[in-house]
Amino acid sequence: DSGVTQTPKHLITATGQRVTLRCSPRSGDLSVYWYQQSLDQGLQFLIQYYNGEERAKGNILERFSAQQFPDLHSELNLSSLELGDSALYFCASSVGGGGAGETQYFGPGTRLLVL
Amino acid sequence: GENVEQHPSTLSVQEGDSAVIKCTYSDSASNYFPWYKQELGKGPQLIIDIRSNVGEKKDQRIAVTLNKTAKHFSLHITETQPEDSAVYFCAASNGGANNLFFGTGTRLTVIP
Repeated sequence: DSGVTQTPKHLITATGQRVTLRCSPRSGDLSVYWYQQSLDQGLQFLIQYYNGEERAKGNILERFSAQQFPDLHSELNLSSLELGDSALYFCASSVGGGGAGETQYFGPGTRLLVL
Repeated sequence: GENVEQHPSTLSVQEGDSAVIKCTYSDSASNYFPWYKQELGKGPQLIIDIRSNVGEKKDQRIAVTLNKTAKHFSLHITETQPEDSAVYFCAASNGGANNLFFGTGTRLTVIP
């Protein structure tokens, strides 16, 4: 158990809908990272938040957005969903801002299926 | 950006034998190289990592080597056990941003 929690575990929805994925980092960690894992793209970095502020951005679609709240939990919002958005979404956390190659601890993931 | 290649994609070994997984990276600024193990239905779990100021690191049956000149790093698992069966991912990141660039994964099967 990494200490990172994600809800829900599974999500089934329809194309065009909007969903919110939630992540709580390990106690004391200030950074949250979101990754997408799909069969064709592998594990891809989406976005990082550090202490409430966006720190780094990867291949995140404009239809996707995230935020980190004062209690440090984070939410990933996916809108106008398409079939190709079906994937596993992982959250990871690290102690600081990540500038020195900090260890990232991954949560169990949310499996999203878009029908 | 960084590009990480990983080989082989699948690997089967007899219990007790060694397993080696290799990765190459493209960005010479990368300085942190973790390895993750992912079991079915679970998130990636860090098993070992290495930073660019060392060439080798060992933790019991697991070791990682890094060749900065050639820009490649490898995972070595000795005395493999059935519970080592999983998908293994290598990753790289540079000091400027900690977002990890992952390899495509190696499915390791240890045959009892």
